[in-house]
Amino acid sequence: AQSVTQPDIHITVSEGASLELRCNYSYGATPYLFWYVQSPGQGLQLLLKYFSGDTLVQGIKGFEAEFKRSQSSFNLRKPSVHWSDAAEYFCAVGEGTGGFKTIFGAGTRLFVKA
Amino acid sequence: DAGVIQSPRHEVTEMGQEVTLRCKPISGHNSLFWYRQTMMRGLELLIYFNNNVPIDDSGMPEDRFSAKMPNASFSTLKIQPSEPRDSAVYFCASSYLLGGQSPLHFGNGTRLTVT
Repeated sequence: AQSVTQPDIHITVSEGASLELRCNYSYGATPYLFWYVQSPGQGLQLLLKYFSGDTLVQGIKGFEAEFKRSQSSFNLRKPSVHWSDAAEYFCAVGEGTGGFKTIFGAGTRLFVKA
Repeated sequence: DAGVIQSPRHEVTEMGQEVTLRCKPISGHNSLFWYRQTMMRGLELLIYFNNNVPIDDSGMPEDRFSAKMPNASFSTLKIQPSEPRDSAVYFCASSYLLGGQSPLHFGNGTRLTVT
């Protein structure tokens, strides 16, 4: 069965520092991959998605993610974190042929310190 | 684009009462999903619809939970009778297509507290 693992429950980074959030997936075929962000009291918002092609994808708010098939990973990065990036981040896998579900990881909460 | 609209934002009820959560998807989206979010279990997919028809309700925890989509612009999730363990944030999401490649657009959720 497909699954998504985000090994870090929470991460703290200093404002201006770089960020990398880890995501590993388990899926039998080429997955559709997503990163979503959730601010307190809000729903999830799409940051970026990967379907095929260039394995480095750009998203909103200066985020990017890299798909590495050999490692079954889709890590999220940002070169310089802003205090407003503090939120919870979810990696997700969308089922391919024959499936319609989106499976979410447990999330990583990002804290930004001044 | 008004986004996905959920009501109420907060609901506090007593055990045994009926609870109805409402959702208006984005116009033109043909798929609708209900998720539940808790600290212990994260985001769980409860049920989803395509063109107003329920496709998969295997995530609905018990018969106390039911969902309907009478038309393309409205869906409800009902819990009857409610129990304290149903306390969670319930999200509705819609997408343009039914398929794992279609991003989900989430509402702001309904925080349900059952005492």
